[in-house]
Amino acid sequence: DAKTTQPPSMDCAEGRAANLPCNHSTISGNEYVYWYRQIHSQGPQYIIHGLKNNETNEMASLIITEDRKSSTLILPHATLRDTAVYYCIVRVAGSNYKLTFGKGTLLTVNP
Amino acid sequence: KAGVTQTPRYLIKTRGQQVTLSCSPISGHRSVSWYQQTPGQGLQFLFEYFSETQRNKGNFPGRFSGRQFSNSRSEMNVSTLELGDSALYLCASSPKKLTGHSTDTQYFGPGTRLTVL
Repeated sequence: DAKTTQPPSMDCAEGRAANLPCNHSTISGNEYVYWYRQIHSQGPQYIIHGLKNNETNEMASLIITEDRKSSTLILPHATLRDTAVYYCIVRVAGSNYKLTFGKGTLLTVNP
Repeated sequence: KAGVTQTPRYLIKTRGQQVTLSCSPISGHRSVSWYQQTPGQGLQFLFEYFSETQRNKGNFPGRFSGRQFSNSRSEMNVSTLELGDSALYLCASSPKKLTGHSTDTQYFGPGTRLTVL
């Protein structure tokens, strides 16, 4: 799987949009971008994934650049409950049975 | 749809004991994977089960074992516990199929926090 790079930490004001960047410059054509988050001591929570088109669900939006070398996860209206470590991973869907998380980004939402 | 459930949520054992953890996947999911998460090593893959068969295995000693039942529920067992086995044990289920197109997004349970004294 391609390697990803994320900032170690970010702050966001409650109610504002949180934009979490991820760099995956060595991504292959068949690799998807996945985002998970983990609130302290809880199990990781799947957020969203995409291949090359932008994706949106009830939790977040995923913006992938045209060259696919980077992406941004957007939480449109961050709340205190969104404080968590966010992991961006790149993997080939359907063939890679195990997930590997890097260090992720600790997003702190402040009141 | 109910999420992945794991029992127990917390467990305290002493060295040398054994422990069994249980995982119930999301309804309809047949793939169950187990992970160990520690602050030092991060998330490490233990094994994956699909249709009652272990399909993949991580790099853990034989003290770690698992099984899957016909209803896709899974258990993992750790024998002769060591202090270093203290960790958050996570189960993840996936709707993936062995053939044909399917998504293999993994959905995690809340984890079992195991403390070995």
